[in-house]
Amino acid sequence: GQNIDQPTEMTATEGAIVQINCTYQTSGFNGLFWYQQHAGEAPTFLSYNVLDGLEEKGRFSSFLSRSKGYSYLLLKELQMKDSASYLCAVSPSGGYNKLIFGAGTRLAVHP
Amino acid sequence: GAVVSQHPSWVICKSGTSVKIECRSLDFQATTMFWYRQFPKQSLMLMATSNEGSKATYEQGVEKDKFLINHASLTLSTLTVTSAHPEDSSFYICSARDRTTGYTFGSGTRLTVV
Repeated sequence: GQNIDQPTEMTATEGAIVQINCTYQTSGFNGLFWYQQHAGEAPTFLSYNVLDGLEEKGRFSSFLSRSKGYSYLLLKELQMKDSASYLCAVSPSGGYNKLIFGAGTRLAVHP
Repeated sequence: GAVVSQHPSWVICKSGTSVKIECRSLDFQATTMFWYRQFPKQSLMLMATSNEGSKATYEQGVEKDKFLINHASLTLSTLTVTSAHPEDSSFYICSARDRTTGYTFGSGTRLTVV
């Protein structure tokens, strides 16, 4: 089966750095995605990793280790608007390139 | 960038009636669209994969006869919730894979069955 785990909730302080972890066990691997989602809205694409290593995009970075089935999303210089759910999603092997989502991590940023 | 237009944004219907949700890919052709359901404070659960010109592939536990999916063209997929009941109230969202940005999501449909 497919299993993607991430913490349910996290809190952090404005201006700080937070790391959201994701571990996965899937039938094959075609890439890992991170999305941001505010309540009642569609997910917004943040990052994509298919090879091991760190991908940096401004205040957001994402890391992947395929051998460990592990990824993290790093958010720097946190802002209040970063309060949202962060979804880890994996594209397993097989047809149609579907995405399987983890349960999501609700991040609350406090002043 | 790629855009997926989803309608309606919200709908309230009476128990026992059917509701149709549309997703259209703008400026690109989507041979495959994905339909998700999301309950409050939970993540997106894949319901089915919609393929243009063929039958949809449903995830385990999803009732095919209740959630009818039609992918009539390369730019349009529809999800019909038949004989809706209050437990079907949820946030339904579609997604299409494009070659540039990866997966593009519709804006979602909030369904409330009363």
